[in-house]
Amino acid sequence: DVKVTQSSRYLVKRTGEKVFLECVQDMDHENMFWYRQDPGLGLRLIYFSYDVKMKEKGDIPEGYSVSREKKERFSLILESASTNQTSMYLCASSPGGLAGGRETQYFGPGTRLLVL
Amino acid sequence: DAKTTQPTSMDCAEGRAANLPCNHSTISGNEYVYWYRQIHSQGPQYIIHGLKNNETNEMASLIITEDRKSSTLILPHATLRDTAVYYCVLQGGSEKLVFGKGTKLTVNP
Repeated sequence: DVKVTQSSRYLVKRTGEKVFLECVQDMDHENMFWYRQDPGLGLRLIYFSYDVKMKEKGDIPEGYSVSREKKERFSLILESASTNQTSMYLCASSPGGLAGGRETQYFGPGTRLLVL
Repeated sequence: DAKTTQPTSMDCAEGRAANLPCNHSTISGNEYVYWYRQIHSQGPQYIIHGLKNNETNEMASLIITEDRKSSTLILPHATLRDTAVYYCVLQGGSEKLVFGKGTKLTVNP
């Protein structure tokens, strides 16, 4: 089975802190994604990556950056956390190779981030 | 915006079939219909997908109408553990998944 793990289930940070959220997948997937999920807004894509050192902006990249130095690991960075970044953060991966997103995405358990 | 429309909530008795509808009248020819579910406080979980033929796996069946403008996810014998939010998602236009609000399915004992 595909396993996507996220470094923390719950995280509490202060406004202005730099926050790192880590995601690791163990199935040699090419594609990795970061979403946030908020009540009433559904899942929104922040960033995604097709390959090591490659990244693409999603719908809401402002205030975030990402890093993919190794194929299995995709990090989301909140440069200076703000209260409006309090959310559930979900990482996902997919095999890659099929154009247009026609692939199943496998999600991690999520990280609930609270910014005070 | 999501390209799918689902009822906000549904109830089902344990052991009965749960039929979850989804409308996707603007589906493109290269888009697949995917279903995911999200159990409270967990990440979404893949259930099943299809293009135009009906599909079945160990979790569920997917019925897609001939014109592909709607589909139905069928959980043949719902259990309490199937209580979740079910999302119908179109994939194929881009790598971005656009999840709508989904259907909150409650399976009652």
